[in-house]
Amino acid sequence: QLVLTQSPSASASLGASVKLTCTLSSGHSGYAITWHQQQPEKGPRFLMKVNNDGSHTKGDEIPDRFSGSSSGAERYLTISSLQSEDEADYYCQTWGTGSWVFGGGTKLTVL
Amino acid sequence: EVQLVESGGGLVQPGGSLRLSCAASGFSFSSYEMNWVRQAPGKGLEWVSHISSSSNTIDYADSVKGRFTISRDNAKNSLYLQMNSLRAEDTAVYYCAREVILHYWGQGTLVTVSS
Repeated sequence: QLVLTQSPSASASLGASVKLTCTLSSGHSGYAITWHQQQPEKGPRFLMKVNNDGSHTKGDEIPDRFSGSSSGAERYLTISSLQSEDEADYYCQTWGTGSWVFGGGTKLTVL
Repeated sequence: EVQLVESGGGLVQPGGSLRLSCAASGFSFSSYEMNWVRQAPGKGLEWVSHISSSSNTIDYADSVKGRFTISRDNAKNSLYLQMNSLRAEDTAVYYCAREVILHYWGQGTLVTVSS
């Protein structure tokens, strides 16, 4: 079964960097995933697609501070030079035959 | 500029029906697969349904299969979600999103199922 696992919460200081992790279930380590940001009281926004080789394609006007990478079954979203507006929920997502799956989301707090 | 605008949400009693619409603009709607995704209050994102560009392939989450119907009208650049036999647990903000990677999202429309 295709499942994505995320830590429920993360925190980092203003100006620092943070690396969020999304783990694919066993047998699905070759899947690409996407990252989406949801700021408080707003709809989701596509950040990027991360392939299993670590290459990534970002959405429109996504700052260079956001990057993606990959290792085995893990997909990462790294945010550098954290700003207050980066405080949000971050969801990873993937798709298989006839189904789309979301991770549970990570709530990022900027201290 | 790509725009997706949902409408049709509201308050409905359990067992009732509602039809959501998603108006697309700024891109060639007929060339793209589309999805509906929902978010219950205070909860995470949940995929609901997918439709291919020509409506040949349609998929549903188990939670809505047999109750919801996705459709599209490429001539009107519009996506629809017919929701029947609504339950309290269907209460959520419903978003339409473009492509398998959910590259663009609408702002959402709130559906509340309550007596």
